[in-house]
Amino acid sequence: AAGVIQSPRHLIKEKRETATLKCYPIPRHDTVYWYQQGPGQDPQFLISFYEKMQSDKGSIPDRFSAQQFSDYHSELNMSSLELGDSALYFCASSSTSGRTNTGELFFGEGSRLTVL
Amino acid sequence: QKEVEQDPGPLSVPEGAIVSLNCTYSNSAFQYFMWYRQYSRKGPELLMYTYSSGNKEDGRFTAQVDKSSKYISLFIRDSQPSDSATYLCAMSEGGAQKLVFGQGTRLTINP
Repeated sequence: AAGVIQSPRHLIKEKRETATLKCYPIPRHDTVYWYQQGPGQDPQFLISFYEKMQSDKGSIPDRFSAQQFSDYHSELNMSSLELGDSALYFCASSSTSGRTNTGELFFGEGSRLTVL
Repeated sequence: QKEVEQDPGPLSVPEGAIVSLNCTYSNSAFQYFMWYRQYSRKGPELLMYTYSSGNKEDGRFTAQVDKSSKYISLFIRDSQPSDSATYLCAMSEGGAQKLVFGQGTRLTINP
């Protein structure tokens, strides 16, 4: 079965540079979520999109932005990178049946960002 | 205090043992409860999904939710070395709402 696809899997950037992460949800999933997981930490919610509109916002820095496109894939843009941005970034997707979202989130393998 | 509390362990048990993992939470609005398994440097894998209170069984795994006590559990029967991973509880208020995770419990099953 198709899963959530994230790219790139690994990314190394210098401080103050910009990075873009991509996420392709499971086919027919309409909701995308971004999470950040630091070493030894639990995933922290950043932002989510439903039908290309932002649906919720968590602890996402102002330096970060994200959007969901017409094909439901999403991109997380990170600018003015800081050392503390080094983490695993996960994308997850879920589906809505009728007017009810199932609530089951399926995660990708993550993108590991290292800021030097 | 975190919204979801989970003992980080580590927890080490012999192969074949019954493992009990649990989380407590403070937000009474949580309705969706999940358990994820995460291997090192991999994405969280959804193991169990429960809506509201009750029990759910899937193979060697049983999830229990007690909303009155704000307490959820995951039981693993006949544990295998391949079950060694970090187990994260997660919950949300609504179907499309963000998940709030526990800290994760690192579990090791010794052959």
